[in-house]
Amino acid sequence: DSGVTQTPKHLITATGQRVTLRCSPRSGDLSVYWYQQSLDQGLQFLIQYYNGEERAKGNILERFSAQQFPDLHSELNLSSLELGDSALYFCASSVEEDYEQYFGPGTRLTVT
Amino acid sequence: GQNIDQPTEMTATEGAIVQINCTYQTSGFNGLFWYQQHAGEAPTFLSYNVLDGLEEKGRFSSFLSRSKGYSYLLLKELQMKDSASYLCAVTTDSWGKLQFGAGTQVVVTP
Repeated sequence: DSGVTQTPKHLITATGQRVTLRCSPRSGDLSVYWYQQSLDQGLQFLIQYYNGEERAKGNILERFSAQQFPDLHSELNLSSLELGDSALYFCASSVEEDYEQYFGPGTRLTVT
Repeated sequence: GQNIDQPTEMTATEGAIVQINCTYQTSGFNGLFWYQQHAGEAPTFLSYNVLDGLEEKGRFSSFLSRSKGYSYLLLKELQMKDSASYLCAVTTDSWGKLQFGAGTQVVVTP
């Protein structure tokens, strides 16, 4: 158990819908990262927050957005969902930037 | 562009040693990480190299040569539970975002 929690574990939804994935970092960790893992793309970095501020963006689609709240938990919002958005979404946290990251168990999103 | 290459699959016998190579060509380099991932589970941190040389941690060791853009992960005394995907990842700036290779699937046979 890494200490990072993610909810829900599984999500099944239809195309065009919107979902919110939630992540609570390890106690004391200020940095939160979101990654997407699909069979054909591997693990891809989406976005990073540090102490409430956005720090870095990867190839995150405009339909996706995220935020980190004052209590340091983070949410990833995915809208206008497409079949290709089906993937495992991982959140990771680290005590500071550029330290080892600890991954949550992931949310498996299935878009039908 | 960014390129992180590692072999797709390796097979080894229980009790043996396996070396997983990773080569990278990235714009900038801040550090190299190795993660282990069992199917359908979260990646778990194994090692971190920022300076050239060998880092040893129990049965796992990781080596880095920054001038060659090369790293390897050495798994000794292989156990069946070591069957997993091993991911090489590079950070290229101080923000810490990880850029992953496609992973090497290690299959341990009895």
